[in-house]
Amino acid sequence: DTGVSQDPRHKITKRGQNVTFRCDPISEHNRLYWYRQTLGQGPEFLTYFQNEAQLEKSRLLSDRFSAERPKGSFSTLEIQRTEQGDSAMYLCASTAYGDSSYNEQFFGPGTRLTVL
Amino acid sequence: QQQVKQSPQSLIVQKGGISIINCAYENTAFDYFPWYQQFPGKGPALLIAIRPDVSEKKEGRFTISFNKSAKQFSLHIMDSQPGDSATYFCAASIESNYQLIWGAGTKLIIKP
Repeated sequence: DTGVSQDPRHKITKRGQNVTFRCDPISEHNRLYWYRQTLGQGPEFLTYFQNEAQLEKSRLLSDRFSAERPKGSFSTLEIQRTEQGDSAMYLCASTAYGDSSYNEQFFGPGTRLTVL
Repeated sequence: QQQVKQSPQSLIVQKGGISIINCAYENTAFDYFPWYQQFPGKGPALLIAIRPDVSEKKEGRFTISFNKSAKQFSLHIMDSQPGDSATYFCAASIESNYQLIWGAGTKLIIKP
């Protein structure tokens, strides 16, 4: 399977714990995005990378959130001191920026986080 | 100004009918308008997308109609099938900034 993969698919944690999610983009895709989707809503942009550089962060990304893409391939999203309001689906997407000005973002299956 | 407003919230259509979902935007700098389909437990998948230099784009049973002056665009699903039952999202972005701004979604149910 050459699509975007995310791990884990589901995570249940207690309030105050730290969690880390991983995203593996489509091979050779240089842009990687993180979105958050709550039940019954459209995804909300969190941050994106071009190669290893984090180009933009949403104001939704509080100081408890951090994302990395150390070698320009996979990315991790960490949430420290989780709160119940962090419960959501965390989606990762990737695209090949450069060949076209109008990219398609390919999405992974998401990581469903439940904070108890 | 960054919002994309989507309607209806839910839609029930008979098999074989036409499903129509509408979106409106404010930011005139948006120049890429995709529609995504999402099944429960899955990530969104691109269905069809349009740029504002054309008023209509058709791919199979799916058509986007775009009205630049009204700042509106819509998705038409012809000959709707039960397998089309899913949540549909419209989105918009600016060429130089690929952050997608999403509508709230439309839950479509096709009755056999």
